[in-house]
Amino acid sequence: AQKVTQAQTEISVVEKEDVTLDCVYETRDTTYYLFWYKQPPSGELVFLIRRNSFDEQNEISGRYSWNFQKSTSSFNFTITASQVVDSAVYFCALSAYGQNFVFGPGTRLSVLP
Amino acid sequence: GAVVSQHPSWVICKSGTSVKIECRSLDFQATTMFWYRQFPKQSLMLMATSNEGSKATYEQGVEKDKFLINHASLTLSTLTVTSAHPEDSSFYICSANRVSDNSPLHFGNGTRLTVT
Repeated sequence: AQKVTQAQTEISVVEKEDVTLDCVYETRDTTYYLFWYKQPPSGELVFLIRRNSFDEQNEISGRYSWNFQKSTSSFNFTITASQVVDSAVYFCALSAYGQNFVFGPGTRLSVLP
Repeated sequence: GAVVSQHPSWVICKSGTSVKIECRSLDFQATTMFWYRQFPKQSLMLMATSNEGSKATYEQGVEKDKFLINHASLTLSTLTVTSAHPEDSSFYICSANRVSDNSPLHFGNGTRLTVT
């Protein structure tokens, strides 16, 4: 069975603070993909990153960075110098090759001015 | 880039009526599409897997007679909520699986259904 856990239900930070969103996953598959999506109040899912299980290289994209560690089954997401526009619900998701997504429960991030 | 179009983006209907939601892959063929439901302040939960040319596969607890899925072509899947009730009010979102890339990646913008 596949499972994604996001232990932080809600996080509040003040603008310009760094914030890390945790994601821990479970799967028996050896080939899988991990994702992060942002869901603003309007509802659409905004794709942030996809990482396959064979690529543990960390990635940085502007103020966003991701730390993938297979040893701990974690795929954490850090926002540096947070901004009010970063306020949203963030979902971590897991997908085995060719299968549907399993979403984590989401973390609601509020960035206060 | 690949785009998945979902229509309508929002709909309000009366209890007892049926509502059809369309999910289209605009620039790629999708043998498989997935339908998710998201209740307020909750995560997305898979409802069913829609397979082109065959019957959909429903997740446990999802009534197949209530949520009719048709995937008649490689670019279109429809979800019909039959005899809608207020408890069916939710955010429905689809994703499409590109034939050449088995990792589903592309989501529609979702449909917010309100049943009065």
